[in-house]
Formats: sequence, structure tokens, C-alpha cells
Amino acid sequence: QSALTQPASVSGSPGQSIIISCTGTSSDIGGYNYVSWYQQHPGKAPKLLISDVSHRPSGVSYRFSGSKSDTTASLTISGLRAEDEADYYCSSHTSASTWVFGGGTKVTVL
Amino acid sequence: EVQLVESGGGLVKPGGSLRLSCAASGFTFSSYTMNWIRQAPGKGLEWVSSISSTGNYIFSAGSLKGRFTISRDNTKNSLYLQMNNLRADDTALYYCARNWQVAAADIWGQGTLVIVSS
Repeated sequence: QSALTQPASVSGSPGQSIIISCTGTSSDIGGYNYVSWYQQHPGKAPKLLISDVSHRPSGVSYRFSGSKSDTTASLTISGLRAEDEADYYCSSHTSASTWVFGGGTKVTVL
Repeated sequence: EVQLVESGGGLVKPGGSLRLSCAASGFTFSSYTMNWIRQAPGKGLEWVSSISSTGNYIFSAGSLKGRFTISRDNTKNSLYLQMNNLRADDTALYYCARNWQVAAADIWGQGTLVIVSS
């Protein structure tokens, strides 16, 4: 199972919106509505931001939203803040009942 | 407080074995599927294995080729990962994570570091 494809880096200015893409195949993203997104600050454990493509767990800021089209999922961060600077990972359920993660995207707030 | 605490990591020689543990508290452990997810130094996340709430269903990454075995003891609120025939590329921080919905993890431990080196 190959890793999902994410851009290595994305940047934006405070207040702007950015979009992180996550591309898979019909055996993972394209076949199920089970895409999740995580935020990871340096030296910290990942934090769940989005599950089931677009569901935001309790306590997660409304500035984070998820979507999916065919085999590509996207995470949008609105109203970018300095504290959003972190690594972001997507993951998906697969047809083999396993998980697959993306390679990660480093978000820089300019 | 909902918490996961991993232990058992350390330095091991190639070909050696190690057993990781994860102690859960603050929630009904026996009701949740649990996962092991690892992260090599400076690299991304890699899913390792999942075990259902009763232990009846287990799924593992094919790349491990059967070297790792996940298990749990609901009477002890504990999750385990038996790792055999360890290789240098198994060097990573190993996280225990509680499953949320399908293929998501909402609670993570702080991780336990495994270093495979001669």
C-alpha cells in the first residue's frame, strides 16, 4: 500500500486560507468516506482534526474543515494563525482494512 | 483524564526482540479498538497494527511481514506490541492510539522510542 500524496510544504500569511491536498487511489480515499487529518507540532503527539472526511471532533476549531472529491481529500485552514504552524497528515481506511498515511505537509505561517 | 502511556522502548540489536506496552486510563478500554502507529526520526506517520475491542480482529501492515504481533489484556487495560527480528528501519517512536470511528485515532500516548542498532 503506497503512501497518500501530500505537498511537502504549504505557506500562507496570517488571516489567509490555505488548502492541503491528499491524493490516493480508488482502494483508499476514492473508495471510502474514512479520511482523517492530524496536526503535529514538533515534539508532540499528533492531534485529530478531522475524521470521516469532514467531521470535526469536539474541541477542534471551526477554522479547520475537510472535504473529498474522487481520490483527493483536502484540508482547509481558514484565518491562518501563527499557532497553526505545524506538520499535517492525512490518512485513509483501505480496501485491505488497513490504514495508510500521507507523507505529511509542513505548514509555514509567513 | 483520558490517558495512554507507552513503555518498553529502548536500544536493541538487529535481529532482537522487544515488547511494548500501553497502559490506558480514564475511559472504558474494553470498548475501543486500539492501534499502534510509528514515526521514524524526522519522518512521517506509519500505521502498524489495529486490534478490535475484544481482540478477535487484528489487522497489520503488510510491510511488517508478520514480525510484529499486537495483543491486549482488557483486565489490565493494556495494549501490547511484540516485535521480533527487528531491523534498523524499525527505529521509530511508537505511539499507542485509541480508535475513533473508522480508521481514525482521537487519543494518542506520548510514544516510546525504539532504536535498533548494533
